[in-house]
Amino acid sequence: AQSVTQLDSHVSVSEGTPVLLRCNYSSSYSPSLFWYVQHPNKGLQLLLKYTSAATLVKGINGFEAEFKKSETSFHLTKPSAHMSDAAEYFCVLGSNFGNEKLTFGTGTRLTIIP
Amino acid sequence: NAGVMQNPRHLVRRRGQEARLRCSPMKGHSHVYWYRQLPEEGLKFMVYLQKENIIDESGMPKERFSAEFPKEGPSILRIQQVVRGDSAAYFCASSPKSGVETQYFGPGTRLLVL
Repeated sequence: AQSVTQLDSHVSVSEGTPVLLRCNYSSSYSPSLFWYVQHPNKGLQLLLKYTSAATLVKGINGFEAEFKKSETSFHLTKPSAHMSDAAEYFCVLGSNFGNEKLTFGTGTRLTIIP
Repeated sequence: NAGVMQNPRHLVRRRGQEARLRCSPMKGHSHVYWYRQLPEEGLKFMVYLQKENIIDESGMPKERFSAEFPKEGPSILRIQQVVRGDSAAYFCASSPKSGVETQYFGPGTRLLVL
């Protein structure tokens, strides 16, 4: 069975400080992992993806994530938060075995304090 | 290259009416996925289609919901005899092929059942 757990439903950080959004996964197969961002009343935009290549993945807008198999984690980080980063972030699990059903975490709402 | 298009963006129906949601995948994409997002929740997989074929409908409610992706034209998600519990955002995604290819999401259709 596949599952994704986002450990924090809400995260608040001050502008200019680091961002850490935590994600743990469970998968019977070699996983593909994604982070998507959703701005209010908008669709989902892909931030970055891991598909069994480099374990440190760099994405758009300064975000990056590190795949740690031993910890079954795929945390999202950014060195310095910007006001425009305020949004809902979803950690998403796919599979290298042709499972097209993406499994979404419940989301983390990121608030940026001016 | 236009992204995934969904229409309408907002749809209001009264209980018992039918709702038809349309999705045009990105150019060159022949795989379409539908997801539902209930308020304050992550997205849940509903159905995966290729042209003229339903590949996986394990996430579709057993009654009232159907989906198609004809040879010509957009994919359609149809909800018959809507109930208040169907109120949600419905997202369509597309990919050029199956497997670990990234799914690109449309802006969603927000259905409100009165």
